[in-house]
Amino acid sequence: EDKVVQSPLSLVVHEGDTVTLNCSYEVTNFRSLLWYKQEKKAPTFLFMLTSSGIEKKSGRLSSILDKKELFSILNITATQTGDSAVYLCAVEAGTDKLIFGTGTRLQVFP
Amino acid sequence: NAGVMQNPRHLVRRRGQEARLRCSPVKGHSHVYWYRQLPEEGLKFMVYLQKENIIDESGMPKERFSAEFPKEGPSILRIQQVVRGDSAAYFCASSPLQRGNYNEQFFGPGTRLTVL
Repeated sequence: EDKVVQSPLSLVVHEGDTVTLNCSYEVTNFRSLLWYKQEKKAPTFLFMLTSSGIEKKSGRLSSILDKKELFSILNITATQTGDSAVYLCAVEAGTDKLIFGTGTRLQVFP
Repeated sequence: NAGVMQNPRHLVRRRGQEARLRCSPVKGHSHVYWYRQLPEEGLKFMVYLQKENIIDESGMPKERFSAEFPKEGPSILRIQQVVRGDSAAYFCASSPLQRGNYNEQFFGPGTRLTVL
């Protein structure tokens, strides 16, 4: 059965800290891995990763994929309170459906 | 540019009633996906539709649930004879998806269904 596992389940940090969120997967017909940020509403797209070893960056966020070891990490540097959210990892497999992990709940305190 | 629109945003139903959830994809997107999110859980795939076709419904419960995406109008997720366990947030996503390309899915704000 296809599955996506995220860790940690929750994380509490202070502003300015750097965090690393993990996502491992076991799926057939892997096509891509996506990261979303969810703040009590629609998940908003962050990154799509398809190739190993190529880092994607957007401001203080960055992500990389390892297709050999079947995992991805999402890094957030110099965290701010506005980064508080649930971060979802999803893998696109087979007929383009997304298989989601349960998410990592990040809380950033001032 | 309007994103994915869902309505209603909140829906309250009593056990045994029907729930109809609507989703209008991003303009120009012809692929729609429905996901369900139970409290404190991740999103679970339900169904993938293209215009007038169901492509993958492997995540849909076999009974009481149905989905359509007609040639004209929004996609509809229909739940008949709702039970308390149907209470969840239902998200719709759309993508332009061209074969051979990778396309992220854009999510709507969700419909929060509460069954009393």
